[in-house]
Amino acid sequence: AQKITQTQPGMFVQEKEAVTLDCTYDTSDPSYGLFWYKQPSSGEMIFLIYQGSYDQQNATEGRYSLNFQKARKSANLVISASQLGDSAMYFCAMRDRQYNFNKFYFGSGTKLNVKP
Amino acid sequence: GAVVSQHPSWVICKSGTSVKIECRSLDFQATTMFWYRQFPKQSLMLMATSNEGSKATYEQGVEKDKFLINHASLTLSTLTVTSAHPEDSSFYICSARIGTENSPLHFGNGTRLTVT
Repeated sequence: AQKITQTQPGMFVQEKEAVTLDCTYDTSDPSYGLFWYKQPSSGEMIFLIYQGSYDQQNATEGRYSLNFQKARKSANLVISASQLGDSAMYFCAMRDRQYNFNKFYFGSGTKLNVKP
Repeated sequence: GAVVSQHPSWVICKSGTSVKIECRSLDFQATTMFWYRQFPKQSLMLMATSNEGSKATYEQGVEKDKFLINHASLTLSTLTVTSAHPEDSSFYICSARIGTENSPLHFGNGTRLTVT
């Protein structure tokens, strides 16, 4: 089974509007971490936000927030007040532990286009 | 600022030659570094985990004799693509983690390899 699933290959959003990028995950490890990264066309991976499996509140970092629904195993990224510079690929990632060894898994990504 | 430095950012080589990519942690010691490969418009695929002072751990399907990893110091890991072929052309990106297992991965800027 896929560890991380991003079902939206591409998304469009109007500048200044909010957008939600979907992410579901699968793990049997009770202690895991969820991460979102942004990858502009230049290629670098930029860390955006983190949510721990035991965190009671949804993570927020400026215009980014994470809608964490543990029972549904979803960790959607919400970007508020979209800006043209938000146009990029977005990857959801999960860290869990297998055989006492941490591994990171990445989803297939969502390409976000912000329209002026 | 960047915490992981990767060099070169791009390289073109002839088929049959070898190429070395360096990944350095800046201002911190990284006992573990991760090497990823990314095909165009696809996700990051973990190739191997580089361990300082010991052998790298390769993911299933990754040829260890083709992709040589050396982690000789706490701040430097190298990936050598040996006897490169056109199918090895890809975007290679390294990462390291600072702190606990819930810390995010910090990525280098990646190396775009083109084998002609």
